[in-house]
Amino acid sequence: EPEVTQTPSHQVTQMGQEVILRCVPISNHLYFYWYRQILGQKVEFLVSFYNNEISEKSEIFDDQFSVERPDGSNFTLKIRSTKLEDSAMYFCASSETPQGALYEQYFGPGTRLTVT
Amino acid sequence: AQKVTQAQTEISVVEKEDVTLDCVYETRDTTYYLFWYKQPPSGELVFLIRRNSFDEQNEISGRYSWNFQKSTSSFNFTITASQVVDSAVYFCALRPVQGGKLIFGQGTELSVKP
Repeated sequence: EPEVTQTPSHQVTQMGQEVILRCVPISNHLYFYWYRQILGQKVEFLVSFYNNEISEKSEIFDDQFSVERPDGSNFTLKIRSTKLEDSAMYFCASSETPQGALYEQYFGPGTRLTVT
Repeated sequence: AQKVTQAQTEISVVEKEDVTLDCVYETRDTTYYLFWYKQPPSGELVFLIRRNSFDEQNEISGRYSWNFQKSTSSFNFTITASQVVDSAVYFCALRPVQGGKLIFGQGTELSVKP
């Protein structure tokens, strides 16, 4: 069964450093998402992406964040200058469409980001 | 505002007990989707069910059942004859009609003891 994959599974970085989290969505999916889960808290939407542009973003997704689909398979989340509060689990998700019967958002296993 | 509330932070039961996880949502949309996800200790998010707002039929899948009541804006999840493997955090989520983002509740941590 096709699945969303994410690398790395765990990333440790120092405050102020740039990090890139990578995701490979399911191959025929067209819509991509990033979510964040701070330890012990709920899952929060960051951004959705379609047709090489951002469809929607949350208040959390400020200028420190960017997303990109650099090739036909990868979908990346970049944090330019990490802060301690960026420590969280980051989930990538993809779907065929954002709505309707075909809607099903499949989540990757997550990348745990630790900022020291 | 659109919001999902899971008032139960933690629930602890003994194996074979039935347990119901509550979910209350707020939205002004007349069309929307509701979801339940399971997050086991390993951390991944496992999809359990999707329900459309215009389909109020309850659903049963093995030991799992869901009770959707539009009149009270609730979408509760019941596990019958709970097992230790059911121990996880369970999230209820709402997807508005516009866009694709999921709005999650705070989650309920279920602990099933042998």
